[in-house]
Amino acid sequence: EVQLAESGGGLVQPGGSLRLSCTASGFTFNKYAMGWVRQAPGKGLEWVSIISGSGADTNYADSVRGRFSVSRDNSKNTLFLQMNSLRPEDTAVYYCAKSQHLVSSWFDPWGQGTLVTVSS
Amino acid sequence: SYELTQPPSVSVAPGKTARITCGGNNIGSKSVHWYQQKPGQVPVLVIFYDNDRPSGIPERFSGSNSGNTATLTISRVEAGDEADYYCQVWDGDSDHPQGVFGTGTKVTVL
Repeated sequence: EVQLAESGGGLVQPGGSLRLSCTASGFTFNKYAMGWVRQAPGKGLEWVSIISGSGADTNYADSVRGRFSVSRDNSKNTLFLQMNSLRPEDTAVYYCAKSQHLVSSWFDPWGQGTLVTVSS
Repeated sequence: SYELTQPPSVSVAPGKTARITCGGNNIGSKSVHWYQQKPGQVPVLVIFYDNDRPSGIPERFSGSNSGNTATLTISRVEAGDEADYYCQVWDGDSDHPQGVFGTGTKVTVL
C-alpha cells in the first residue's frame, strides 16, 4: 500500500522559513514524480510544485517561484519543500502526492497534509 | 495564466444524475483529472485522462472532455457522493508548465 506522510508544518512569522518533509513507502520512490498541493482554510486546491523521479527537473507555481524549492532524497524515500520569505497568503494545508510524470499527470494518492500558518 | 471554472454548487436527488462542468479555453486538447474531497478528508482521484477510473472507483463515475468543457458525471447518486469535486489539468503552453485546479464544486445530495 502506498503511504505518504507529511511533517514539518507549524506557525511561522511573515518573512520566515519552513521546511516540509514527505516520507513515502509502498512504491519505488525514484520512479515517480512527486508534487505538492496546498489548500488554504476553507478554500480550493492550489498546485504548488512538482519534481521528477530523479530530482533533475522541477516546476513551480508562479505564486511561489523564487521563494519555494522542492527537492528529494531518493535514498531515504523523502520529498522536501523548502519555503522561504513566507507570506500570510501561504497559510494552508500542504499535501504531498505521487504523480506519474512531471507534467500532464494526475496526483494519486495524497498524504494527510501538514498545516502551515504564517502569522505574526 | 490558464483558468478552470466550475459551478460553485450542484444539488441532486438520490438516484439521479449529477453533472459537474469544468470550463477552460480549449480544454478538450488537454487531459483532465478529477478529485473528490469529502469534508475533513484528503482529496481522492476519481477520474484520470478524461474518462479513466482508478481501481476502487465505482462505474457510476465517468468523464468527458470536448471543446471548452469537461464534465464529470455521477450516475445513481448516493448520499456518500456528497463532497467537493475539483478538475485538474496541466498548462504546458509556457516555459514553466503549471498544474491548474478548477475552482471546485460542492455536490449536495438532497
